[in-house]
Amino acid sequence: GDSVTQTEGLVTLTEGLPVMLNCTYQTIYSNPFLFWYVQHLNESPRLLLKSFTDNKRTEHQGFHATLHKSSSSFHLQKSSAQLSDSALYYCASSGNKLIFGIGTLLSVKP
Amino acid sequence: EAAVTQSPRNKVAVTGGKVTLSCNQTNNHNNMYWYRQDTGHGLRLIHYSYGAGSTEKGDIPDGYKASRPSQENFSLILELATPSQTSVYFCASGEDWGNGAEQFFGPGTRLTVL
Repeated sequence: GDSVTQTEGLVTLTEGLPVMLNCTYQTIYSNPFLFWYVQHLNESPRLLLKSFTDNKRTEHQGFHATLHKSSSSFHLQKSSAQLSDSALYYCASSGNKLIFGIGTLLSVKP
Repeated sequence: EAAVTQSPRNKVAVTGGKVTLSCNQTNNHNNMYWYRQDTGHGLRLIHYSYGAGSTEKGDIPDGYKASRPSQENFSLILELATPSQTSVYFCASGEDWGNGAEQFFGPGTRLTVL
């Protein structure tokens, strides 16, 4: 069945360093949408960015991701981490249903 | 004016008791969803609905029922609550995820079953 894999439950970074959160997916559908949702402490998840187009970079709020169908990947990146980026990040894939990964907790330290 | 609201926000229940979690949306979305969030499992879909009168099973429906009496309201019912159902529950509304539609989440309900 469909699945989403996010590596590393906790990622700890120093402010100013680059961020990369990994996401790979499995689906029988050839044209899934891939999503990144972000959840700050004591808040609910909200959409950060999404993509449908192969090899096209998508950007929002300083974050970017590129869907690579050849490797079934949709990694989330940011050039310079900020303290306010500390949050739980979910990757999700839509096939016949929306599947969320288990989430990656990003902790940015001064 | 929050578009997806949930009640109660916190609930303590006893094992074997009945629990009803309520969700209301003012987005006029056709689809509504119930998830539970647990560390190590992420967000898992319990039930969803395509519109008033419809309910569909998600990935983990056992022990839960759902009711969609209107476009705006979607309830999750635990007929016989168990400690394993202790979790944070999120309701969401949205259009067709297959078309890339965003899901809008409510604030969550923290349920503890003793």
